[in-house]
Amino acid sequence: AQSVTQLGSHVSVSEGALVLLRCNYSSSVPPYLFWYVQYPNQGLQLLLKYTTGATLVKGINGFEAEFKKSETSFHLTKPSAHMSDAAEYFCAVSDRLTGGGNKLTFGTGTQLKVEL
Amino acid sequence: DGGITQSPKYLFRKEGQNVTLSCEQNLNHDAMYWYRQDPGQGLRLIYYSQIVNDFQKGDIAEGYSVSREKKESFPLTVTSAQKNPTAFYLCASSTYRGETQYFGPGTRLLVL
Repeated sequence: AQSVTQLGSHVSVSEGALVLLRCNYSSSVPPYLFWYVQYPNQGLQLLLKYTTGATLVKGINGFEAEFKKSETSFHLTKPSAHMSDAAEYFCAVSDRLTGGGNKLTFGTGTQLKVEL
Repeated sequence: DGGITQSPKYLFRKEGQNVTLSCEQNLNHDAMYWYRQDPGQGLRLIYYSQIVNDFQKGDIAEGYSVSREKKESFPLTVTSAQKNPTAFYLCASSTYRGETQYFGPGTRLLVL
């Protein structure tokens, strides 16, 4: 079974500082990996995804993530945090379903706080 | 505008009552999904449907039921058998071959 571990349920950074949110996964097949962001009382918005090809993936709002197969990691980074980045972030791994579509397995989320 | 709509935004359930959460999409997606979100637990899959008139149980289907009579619609019923229904419920959809799921804005269910 696939699984995702997000280290740190709460991360706090100063505005302008580096953001690093950690994600490790377990998968028996080459994974598809995702980062989603959730603002309070809203749905999930896709930040970025890795399927195949280049291991450094760029997403929206200046975020990027690097797929490291040897470390089974897919950490999310942003060089300079902004107050508007305060939200909950979820890492997910995808498993294709027989018959179409895919099943996402989510980590438990990391709440990012950005301080002045 | 293409997207996924969920209604209502807030829903209150009395003891022993069944309630139905609506999910509609106009993205022409074949697959639709229901997730439950609890604080500190991430999202867990309740049911999914890959085609009209067919659906499959996810990881936590007990106490829930669904239908898929139209491609655009995938309503979720929280039955009285679900003893702990208070949660945030999210609907998502994807194309048949697509790996990306797109999410609706969610419905928060509270028990009176």
